[in-house]
Amino acid sequence: GENVEQHPSTLSVQEGDSAVIKCTYSDSASNYFPWYKQELGKRPQLIIDIRSNVGEKKDQRIAVTLNKTAKHFSLHITETQPEDSAVYFCAAIETSYDKVIFGPGTSLSVIP
Amino acid sequence: EPEVTQTPSHQVTQMGQEVILRCVPISNHLYFYWYRQILGQKVEFLVSFYNNEISEKSEIFDDQFSVERPDGSNFTLKIRSTKLEDSAMYFCASSAPRQGANTGELFFGEGSRLTVL
Repeated sequence: GENVEQHPSTLSVQEGDSAVIKCTYSDSASNYFPWYKQELGKRPQLIIDIRSNVGEKKDQRIAVTLNKTAKHFSLHITETQPEDSAVYFCAAIETSYDKVIFGPGTSLSVIP
Repeated sequence: EPEVTQTPSHQVTQMGQEVILRCVPISNHLYFYWYRQILGQKVEFLVSFYNNEISEKSEIFDDQFSVERPDGSNFTLKIRSTKLEDSAMYFCASSAPRQGANTGELFFGEGSRLTVL
């Protein structure tokens, strides 16, 4: 089955700096890669996703890149703000959507 | 905006007792899920449900667990005989609207915190 790894487990950045979180997956059949943000005590919420037919996607300060050959994808947050502080989870899925497997999470702290 | 709702928000139970967690998925969604998150850890897949039957389940989802869709709106998770290690936040999620593009996005409920004493 699919196995998703994520690094780093914790990340501290100064406000305004960039943050990068990297994930690898094992199942070459996976073709949908979402990123979820979970604030303390709240539910995970989708922030951006990418499908295997594109290499990069950007939404304002957030971007995601995908390398299908190497089976890894990354989340990039630019100009970080304190409200970006949260746990970020990557995930990998086949289009059947039966089983969404999350990475172990990255706790991001943005220091004002 | 429609959302997934879960009850109870917090349940405390004694070890060995049965617990039922309830969820109302978004009404036009086709896939339903239960996930578990032990405090400070990752979101772990338990089970997915599609077309009135289990579609996939993880190793965690053993014989102590069961799911049901007893009517057109509710989706329940039952734990028959709770153990201390079942203490966690349980998230219900749904995805895949009947009409429109299936984006694959999971819509999570607020979660039900289960504490087993």
